[in-house]
Amino acid sequence: QLQLQESGPGLVKPSETLSLTCTVSGGSISSRSYYWGWIRQPPGKGLEWIGNIYYSGSTYYNPSLKSRVTISVDTSKNQFSLKLRSVTVADTAVYYCARDGCTSNSCPIDYWGQGTLVTVSS
Amino acid sequence: QLVLTQSPSASASLGASVKLTCTLSSGHSSYAIAWHQQQPEKGPRYLMKLNSDGSHSKGDGIPDRFSGSSSGAERYLTISSLQSEDEADYYCQTWGTDIRVFGGGTELTVL
Repeated sequence: QLQLQESGPGLVKPSETLSLTCTVSGGSISSRSYYWGWIRQPPGKGLEWIGNIYYSGSTYYNPSLKSRVTISVDTSKNQFSLKLRSVTVADTAVYYCARDGCTSNSCPIDYWGQGTLVTVSS
Repeated sequence: QLVLTQSPSASASLGASVKLTCTLSSGHSSYAIAWHQQQPEKGPRYLMKLNSDGSHSKGDGIPDRFSGSSSGAERYLTISSLQSEDEADYYCQTWGTDIRVFGGGTELTVL
């Protein structure tokens, strides 16, 4: 059974960089079939897609966040990571990692991590 | 622009059935979508992929009470024999080559 687990600081100061890692178990992140992504949910609000990555390092980002986001992959550790720069209180959210589609473009997000709350506050 | 529209709320009685709707934006009526359930204080759970022809494939362990159907640009999630644990937010989601889109979610109340 594929499992994803987010990890990283729960508190980040305004203007600093939010950094999170997702560890994948029960499957290989180097699969040539799948993308791996990040989604966030501000308190009391809906889901917002941040971006995703293929094992080769190819990425797609939400245009609204593209200027501040970097997603990277470490296949040796079966992990992928999120960096969000210059954060503000509006970036406070639960951040989820997920298996995010496939190369045939016929697949939805189908596995989710449990999520981790990141609060932006001084 | 690829957009998904959902009603903010719905309600139905325990043991009854409910049909939730997700509408694709103009020009995107052939797109498949996925339905995800988010119970209170929990992360989302993938329910199913739903194609434009109404065929669907469910995620692991999803009960038969959950089914999907399609008509034009509308995608439906039907939950039969409603149980208290079905009270949750339901999100539809679709995708393109370089983008993923979520609907705003429907909050389902089981009366």
